[in-house]
Amino acid sequence: QQPVQSPQAVILREGEDAVINCSSSKALYSVHWYRQKHGEAPVFLMILLKGGEQKGHDKISASFNEKKQQSSLYLTASQLSYSGTYFCGTAINFGNEKLTFGTGTRLTIIP
Amino acid sequence: SQTIHQWPATLVQPVGSPLSLECTVEGTSNPNLYWYRQAAGRGLQLLFYSVGIGQISSEVPQNLSASRPQDRQFILSSKKLLLSDSGFYLCAWGPPGQIYGYTFGSGTRLTVV
Repeated sequence: QQPVQSPQAVILREGEDAVINCSSSKALYSVHWYRQKHGEAPVFLMILLKGGEQKGHDKISASFNEKKQQSSLYLTASQLSYSGTYFCGTAINFGNEKLTFGTGTRLTIIP
Repeated sequence: SQTIHQWPATLVQPVGSPLSLECTVEGTSNPNLYWYRQAAGRGLQLLFYSVGIGQISSEVPQNLSASRPQDRQFILSSKKLLLSDSGFYLCAWGPPGQIYGYTFGSGTRLTVV
């Protein structure tokens, strides 16, 4: 089953913060986050593994709540370059060698 | 370093014609390989994945097929294209175990006319 992302779309001014959520109906082993610019391939941002960890680099971080089967991506002090569509990808267990991608969240940063 | 090549970048094909899209990976061995399709403005739909030579798992029943004749080569085919096959096709690779991110190819934009 496809994970559900929220919001579907968001418009921010440069410097504002954003949170993108990803919810699954199944227990998860790992959650991936990707960003896709228009007309381009998705680019890997980070992965979170079962265990409820939090990760981040630069001003983009993410958390994984294993019990709630949810992950959130946090973008702090957004920059114009953050614009794009963000996808979460979920794997339900180790050895199940595929990702199911979420519905996507379109983020637009305006000056 | 690892690289992934996918071609062609764009393709316009008539309904009923065959299709062959190729993807190759360099700089790694025994990668997991994936074909995804993305309709305009939509999400990523997994079509096929492979964990080894000759091993293909199909996720969506349709008139497409996939093959992995060599360790780092993944091919998507169709004998007769339908209008509904139009979309952005993405090949990706990832190490086994789902604990590392995927790297996507640059994609093939297929228009069936």
